[in-house]
Amino acid sequence: AQKVTQAQTEISVVEKEDVTLDCVYETRDTTYYLFWYKQPPSGELVFLIRRNSFDEQNEISGRYSWNFQKSTSSFNFTITASQVVDSAVYFCALSGEVDTGFQKLVFGTGTRLLVSP
Amino acid sequence: EAGVAQSPRYKIIEKRQSVAFWCNPISGHATLYWYQQILGQGPKLLIQFQNNGVVDDSQLPKDRFSAERLKGVDSTLKIQPAKLEDSAVYLCASSLVGGLLNYGYTFGSGTRLTVV
Repeated sequence: AQKVTQAQTEISVVEKEDVTLDCVYETRDTTYYLFWYKQPPSGELVFLIRRNSFDEQNEISGRYSWNFQKSTSSFNFTITASQVVDSAVYFCALSGEVDTGFQKLVFGTGTRLLVSP
Repeated sequence: EAGVAQSPRYKIIEKRQSVAFWCNPISGHATLYWYQQILGQGPKLLIQFQNNGVVDDSQLPKDRFSAERLKGVDSTLKIQPAKLEDSAVYLCASSLVGGLLNYGYTFGSGTRLTVV
């Protein structure tokens, strides 16, 4: 069975601090995808990144960076110099069974990030 | 490109009543998903369509929930009769082909259902 664990329920930081959101996953698939989504108060899920299991390179996009480590089954997300607009709930998700072409996303419980000015 | 459209945005009903949600995916997206997100939890897949066929409905409470996707385009999700524990946000998402060729899935804004 696939599972995603986000142990941090809520994180509070002050603007300009760096913050790391943890994600640990479980899967038996050899090929799988990992995702991060942002859910602002409006409720819509905003796609941030997709990473496949064969690509362990870290990725940086502006103030966002992701650290994928298969050895520890982790896919952590760091926001550098956080801003108030980063306040949201962030979800890590896993998708497997790619050989069939049909996937479903298994989500973690989310981490609520509150950035105060 | 227009996003995934969902309506209504909010709905309040009494328990044992019925309710229906509508979703119009991005044009050309063959795969459509309905997710249920209970407050404080991550979204959980209820049903997945590939065109107008059901791929996965293993977590759909079939005694009260039903969904259809006529003509492989828009979809409706119905609850009859509703229970208090059905209070949640119902998210619709779509992707080109099972998400493989797409950078993730595009989600709609959701329908927030409150059952009283």
